[in-house]
Amino acid sequence: KAGVTQTPRYLIKTRGQQVTLSCSPISGHRSVSWYQQTPGQGLQFLFEYFSETQRNKGNFPGRFSGRQFSNSRSEMNVSTLELGDSALYLCASSLVSGKRYEQYFGPGTRLTVT
Amino acid sequence: AQTVTQSQPEMSVQEAETVTLSCTYDTSENNYYLFWYKQPPSRQMILVIRQEAYKQQNATENRFSVNFQKAAKSFSLKISDSQLGDTAMYFCAFMKHGGGNTPLVFGKGTRLSVIA
Repeated sequence: KAGVTQTPRYLIKTRGQQVTLSCSPISGHRSVSWYQQTPGQGLQFLFEYFSETQRNKGNFPGRFSGRQFSNSRSEMNVSTLELGDSALYLCASSLVSGKRYEQYFGPGTRLTVT
Repeated sequence: AQTVTQSQPEMSVQEAETVTLSCTYDTSENNYYLFWYKQPPSRQMILVIRQEAYKQQNATENRFSVNFQKAAKSFSLKISDSQLGDTAMYFCAFMKHGGGNTPLVFGKGTRLSVIA
C-alpha cells in the first residue's frame, strides 16, 4: 500500500505570494488533516477534511484555506505569505471506523518564505 | 481545551540502555486516545504506540511500552534496549474520541539522542 505523498517537498516563496500544497492520502482513507510545524510553536492543527467537507478547523487566519477532492486528495493554500509562514507542513491521512484507527503522516512540505 | 506537556526538551541514553520520556496532559474528556510519535531527522512522523483511555492495560509494542496513569493524567514512554535508530524527536499527542477523526494536540517534543 502506497504511503501518504506530499508535493512539493520543498518550496521557496517571497512575502506576499501565495502557495498551494498537495497531499494524496493512503488509498481508502477519506480523512486528511493538515498540521503546521515550526520550532517556536511546535505542531499545530490547521484543518481536517472528510469526504470533501471541512470537518474541523484550527486557529489560523483566513489566509490559510484548503479543500478536498472526490478522490480524497487535498490541497492547502496560503495567500499573502508572511515570513512567519515558513514551516514544515504535514499532512495526515486517517481512517477511523469503530475501533479501527489508522493515521499516517506524509513526509511534509518545507516552505520557506523570504 | 486540551494541553499536552513534555517537560524534558532533551534526553540522551546509552545504546542498549532503557530510557523513559515523560508526558502529562490536561483534559476534561473521558474518552480519548494518547499517542507517542517519533520524528527522525528525515522528518517523517511515525506512530510509535497508541493507548485508548478506556483500557487499563498499558500498551506495548516490541521495545516500546507506556505507563498510562489516567487519574494522574500521565503517559510516559519507556524505550528498552535503546538503539541508534531510536534517535529522534518524540512527540506525545492527545486525541479526543469523537466518533471520527479529531485533531491531534501535540506536546512540544523531547529530543532523544542514543549514544554508542
